[in-house]
Amino acid sequence: GAVVSQHPSRVICKSGTSVKIECRSLDFQATTMFWYRQFPKKSLMLMATSNEGSKATYEQGVEKDKFLINHASLTLSTLTVTSAHPEDSSFYICSAPSGGNAGELFFGEGSRLTVL
Amino acid sequence: GIQVEQSPPDLILQEGANSTLRCNFSDSVNNLQWFHQNPWGQLINLFYIPSGTKQNGRLSATTVATERYSLLYISSSQTTDSGVYFCAVRTAGNQFYFGTGTSLTVIP
Repeated sequence: GAVVSQHPSRVICKSGTSVKIECRSLDFQATTMFWYRQFPKKSLMLMATSNEGSKATYEQGVEKDKFLINHASLTLSTLTVTSAHPEDSSFYICSAPSGGNAGELFFGEGSRLTVL
Repeated sequence: GIQVEQSPPDLILQEGANSTLRCNFSDSVNNLQWFHQNPWGQLINLFYIPSGTKQNGRLSATTVATERYSLLYISSSQTTDSGVYFCAVRTAGNQFYFGTGTSLTVIP
């Protein structure tokens, strides 16, 4: 299957700082990538759809200025959590469809963010 | 938005037993996938199944898109099958939404 890599896998930061998480499709190109957030013992919640060359599409209730998404190339999308607060602590996972936007979805390893 | 419900939410099995997990969705979808989330959070692709039936070893899945449900069958369960199983659907808007999940525990 296709490979999606996410970095960093774990990050601890102080309240008020910004954290950037990278998502790369290693062996395929993706014009669309998805960012999810998962709380303990809960399902994955779609945060936004990252679109290469254009603005991301955010789900209702997700703060655009808090979670900045940039799809810089066909293999890289980044999520920046700005002015992080303890309530932003969570597991963030990215995904990308292989073989076009209608293709099978593959996931990164996830990034666990802890804001102190 | 679309609702994706899974049942049962929790399941405990004796090793060797069989089980059926269900995924119901409230609207038409263009695709459906099943995933297994391991204890480290990694999502493992199980099936890419917009319709019909597929089998992979002890696992098989069936999607009946017209009736808006999918089933995941696990036969002869093993302790390594433990974890959370999710279905995810792709909508006409090309977004993927996850189901509520089934937490499976297989005891020896």
